[in-house]
Amino acid sequence: AQSVTQLGSHVSVSEGALVLLRCNYSSSVPPYLFWYVQYPNQGLQLLLKYTTGATLVKGINGFEAEFKKSETSFHLTKPSAHMSDAAEYFCAVRPLGGFKTIFGAGTRLFVKA
Amino acid sequence: DTAVSQTPKYLVTQMGNDKSIKCEQNLGHDTMYWYKQDSKKFLKIMFSYNNKELIINETVPNRFSPKSPDKAHLNLHINSLELGDSAVYFCASSQDTGGQYFGPGTRLTVT
Repeated sequence: AQSVTQLGSHVSVSEGALVLLRCNYSSSVPPYLFWYVQYPNQGLQLLLKYTTGATLVKGINGFEAEFKKSETSFHLTKPSAHMSDAAEYFCAVRPLGGFKTIFGAGTRLFVKA
Repeated sequence: DTAVSQTPKYLVTQMGNDKSIKCEQNLGHDTMYWYKQDSKKFLKIMFSYNNKELIINETVPNRFSPKSPDKAHLNLHINSLELGDSAVYFCASSQDTGGQYFGPGTRLTVT
């Protein structure tokens, strides 16, 4: 069965610092990979996705993620954090040809002034 | 234009009551979902419909029953509500290999 692990339930960075949120998946075949962001009292919003092709994927709000098959990872990064980036971030996987998406437990990002 | 909408946004009710949550998407997507998010933010899939056909039916009490009158609508009916049903329920939709578009959520509180 597929699973997804997000390392660190809470990550705190200073404004302007690098943001790195870690995600590892377990699957015999690389799945489709997604990152979502959830702001307080809102639904989830798709940040970016990897299906096929280029392994470095750019998303909205300056975020990007790199699919590394050898490491079964899909870490999310942003060069410079803004206060507005403070939110809950979810990594998710979906098997090729399937509909069921498995979400990680989430990482809460705090941005300090 | 709202892509995925849910009503109501808040629902406060007593144990034992029956309630429904409605969801509509105007994106033309074929697949719709219901998720439950608990107080620790853990997101769990409950049901999914593809072109009005039930394709995902997770281990959920049979007090929960989804209904899809057409591919733009997916409703959730809950019978005999229990305290443990208190959570935020999200509707979502997707198309092919695309990511999911989520509604704003319905916060259900059972007292």
